[in-house]
Amino acid sequence: AQSVTQLGSHVSVSEGALVLLRCNYSSSVPPYLFWYVQYPNQGLQLLLKYTSAATLVKGINGFEAEFKKSETSFHLTKPSAHMSDAAEYFCAVSGITGFQKLVFGTGTRLLVSP
Amino acid sequence: DVKVTQSSRYLVKRTGEKVFLECVQDMDHENMFWYRQDPGLGLRLIYFSYDVKMKEKGDIPEGYSVSREKKERFSLILESASTNQTSMYLCASRDSRLTLNEKLFFGSGTQLSVL
Repeated sequence: AQSVTQLGSHVSVSEGALVLLRCNYSSSVPPYLFWYVQYPNQGLQLLLKYTSAATLVKGINGFEAEFKKSETSFHLTKPSAHMSDAAEYFCAVSGITGFQKLVFGTGTRLLVSP
Repeated sequence: DVKVTQSSRYLVKRTGEKVFLECVQDMDHENMFWYRQDPGLGLRLIYFSYDVKMKEKGDIPEGYSVSREKKERFSLILESASTNQTSMYLCASRDSRLTLNEKLFFGSGTQLSVL
């Protein structure tokens, strides 16, 4: 069984500051890991995806995430926040073999102040 | 451009009513999913479908059923709506022909209020 834990339901940063959103996973099999973003009044869209090819994954809009097996973590970072990054971010996990459901975390709302 | 369309953005229904939420995708995807999204709980899987006429229960199927008669359409049915089913409902689809566990494409959601 898989699960993810997102630490912090809200994270506030100033424009230009580092963004760090935390995600820890639990999986009995090697995982695929995902970050999705949801802008206001929209559905979710994929930011990036880890599939074991490389531990540092680069996504859209300048975001990246690093898979750390020893820490069972997949934290999302961006060096410099922009106002347009304000959204809700979801970490998700699935197994890598066969048909897999995607299990989502509870989400972290990112607030960006001028 | 890929598209997952949910028929209603906002819906208000009364307790005990039968409610249909419709979802259509234009990408010829085999897999389709229904999630509900609640503050502090994230997304929880209600039902999913591998392919036409196939359906499987997700993590919270109680009080819901689904129908997939055509590949492009996946309907969520609330047999007798209750106030605890007030929520945002998100439909998603996935192409399983390329690789397993490809990304999900989401609709923009239906905010259902049951009074």
